[in-house]
Amino acid sequence: RKEVEQDPGPFNVPEGATVAFNCTYSNSASQSFFWYRQDCRKEPKLLMSVYSSGNEDGRFTAQLNRASQYISLLIRDSKLSDSATYLCVVIDLQGAQKLVFGQGTRLTINP
Amino acid sequence: NAGVTQTPKFRVLKTGQSMTLLCAQDMNHEYMYWYRQDPGMGLRLIHYSVGEGTTAKGEVPDGYNVSRLKKQNFLLGLESAAPSQTSVYFCASSLAGWGETQYFGPGTRLLVL
Repeated sequence: RKEVEQDPGPFNVPEGATVAFNCTYSNSASQSFFWYRQDCRKEPKLLMSVYSSGNEDGRFTAQLNRASQYISLLIRDSKLSDSATYLCVVIDLQGAQKLVFGQGTRLTINP
Repeated sequence: NAGVTQTPKFRVLKTGQSMTLLCAQDMNHEYMYWYRQDPGMGLRLIHYSVGEGTTAKGEVPDGYNVSRLKKQNFLLGLESAAPSQTSVYFCASSLAGWGETQYFGPGTRLLVL
């Protein structure tokens, strides 16, 4: 089992729809979690951190479920500009691999 | 601020050739990282540095060497390139720790024939 797993997609949704995807992690001792966004042929950029209490930034909501070991990203009222690949990142400062990226979920918003 | 810059943007090598990728950041960050990104594999950490003069191995260090002689620069070397090293290489930096925002450079596309 991979340390961090994401459904690679692609997810194709119409503009204005709500879309959500998850990222599962295998190490229960993981401490920090993030979502990055990567546009085609560009570098990743931080989208948001994921806190234990959840985190909301405009149309984006990130949640952490420690019991089931996954984080989620919800995008409401999706825009064409939300089309990108979304990467989750899991941090375990005590582990051999302190930082692991998921392979990414590709999202396309259609007009 | 330029942020994180990488040189070169694109390179073609023949098997066995060597090259050095340069990463520079002007944000006074302590931590710097080198990743490779391959289709279906996500970003994998090659080497990292937690400060000037320090380096450490990441998940996939074989075939690569690094140096951090100056705080702002992190060099990635391929001594004898192999086709398996064809990839997109990203450098990143963060202020002072793993759990902080990583700022990525634009990437270097490397093709090894």
